[in-house]
Amino acid sequence: GENVEQHPSTLSVQEGDSAVIKCTYSDSASNYFPWYKQELGKRPQLIIDIRSNVGEKKDQRIAVTLNKTAKHFSLHITETQPEDSAVYFCAARKYNFNKFYFGSGTKLNVKP
Amino acid sequence: GAVVSQHPSRVICKSGTSVKIECRSLDFQATTMFWYRQFPKQSLMLMATSNEGSKATYEQGVEKDKFLINHASLTLSTLTVTSAHPEDSSFYICSARVSGSGPRKETQYFGPGTRLLVL
Repeated sequence: GENVEQHPSTLSVQEGDSAVIKCTYSDSASNYFPWYKQELGKRPQLIIDIRSNVGEKKDQRIAVTLNKTAKHFSLHITETQPEDSAVYFCAARKYNFNKFYFGSGTKLNVKP
Repeated sequence: GAVVSQHPSRVICKSGTSVKIECRSLDFQATTMFWYRQFPKQSLMLMATSNEGSKATYEQGVEKDKFLINHASLTLSTLTVTSAHPEDSSFYICSARVSGSGPRKETQYFGPGTRLLVL
């Protein structure tokens, strides 16, 4: 099966700085990579996703990059704000498969 | 769009009783729903994949007789924790995948979760 590793497990940044969270995956057949944000006690919310036919996708302060050769993808948050503080999960899914394989999560703390 | 509801949000029960959790897709049809378990400060652990009209597919190590899943319609899946014990206490989250084609097809949308406490 697929193995998704996520780093770092915790990340603390100053408000306004950038934050980068990295994930690697093992199965080259994976072709869909979503990122979820989960606030304490709440549901994971999709914040951005990328498919294997593109290398980068951006949505305002959030961007995701994908390197298929190296089998890794990263979440970039610029101009961080305190409300960005949450746990972020990456995931990978293979074409025509239902299951998502989740990373272990990164707790992001943005200090005001 | 793509709202998933879950009920109840919180339940406390006595050891040995059964608890049913409902997961509904409110504004879309979901051929496939997923049930996850999440321990404090940990990732989402997939328990089973629920397919409308057929048996659920359980992950390795998940007891199918203990965690009964029923997906009777395109908008409703239920998880029943049978003979619950304190070690079953956890946060249970469902998700649903949009049926058919379109840009949302690959995405999973999560319910708000159910916090189960077994005394």
